Amino acid sequence: QSVLTQPPSASGTPGQRVSISCSGSSSNIGRNTVNWYQQLPGTAPKLLIYSINQRPSGVPDRFSGSKSGTSASLAISGLQSEDEADYYCAAWDDSLNGYVFGTGTKVTVL
Amino acid sequence: EAQLLESGGGLVQPGGSLRLSCAASGFTFSSYAMNWVRQVPGKGLEWVSGISGSGGGTYYADSVKGRFTISRDNSKNTLYLQMNSLRAEDTAVYYCAKDPDFVLVTRLDVWGQGTTVTVSS
Repeated sequence: QSVLTQPPSASGTPGQRVSISCSGSSSNIGRNTVNWYQQLPGTAPKLLIYSINQRPSGVPDRFSGSKSGTSASLAISGLQSEDEADYYCAAWDDSLNGYVFGTGTKVTVL
Repeated sequence: EAQLLESGGGLVQPGGSLRLSCAASGFTFSSYAMNWVRQVPGKGLEWVSGISGSGGGTYYADSVKGRFTISRDNSKNTLYLQMNSLRAEDTAVYYCAKDPDFVLVTRLDVWGQGTTVTVSS
């Protein structure tokens, strides 16, 4: 049972903007940085956004992250077919003394 | 290029044991914390355990505490996960993942391809 809650699904047409929320608490998102991972079908997860809004080398600037209080968000602008994947938020939890993932959001490109 | 290759997965009976390995290459293994993350097919990601670069600090999810042991051999560039008292709910794909920090889990920037563990009689 994850302590970070995400909507199970999100969708959009090519070129649209899609936003995914991640709700946590004061022991995780509220006091620690947030990362986002992308998992394409049949592959291992990949780091997409780190430290709330930083992109690793090679990640398009269509992907952006933000945080407010105990919630975080991932935005995908200019949605493309190759963005169809599962997306997970994650953060360290000081109460659990462990790393926690969100419940995951499946993004569908219509 | 940093690469991770897991091995050791397989079919094991409930109550049995299994040891997973993760061979690292392309980076200075001892400089970075390492982690295990698992995923039940069709379900979400669950962090299992982490270990500091020196091996002196270890962390576990409550679901595996007391049953799993993470360790590393920096001379062999290899990460391990000893899994004892296995349960059906431990059935999953197990990924090893590198952290760019030495001590704690900050982010997981390199992932292996995963190894499958099936616990069933």
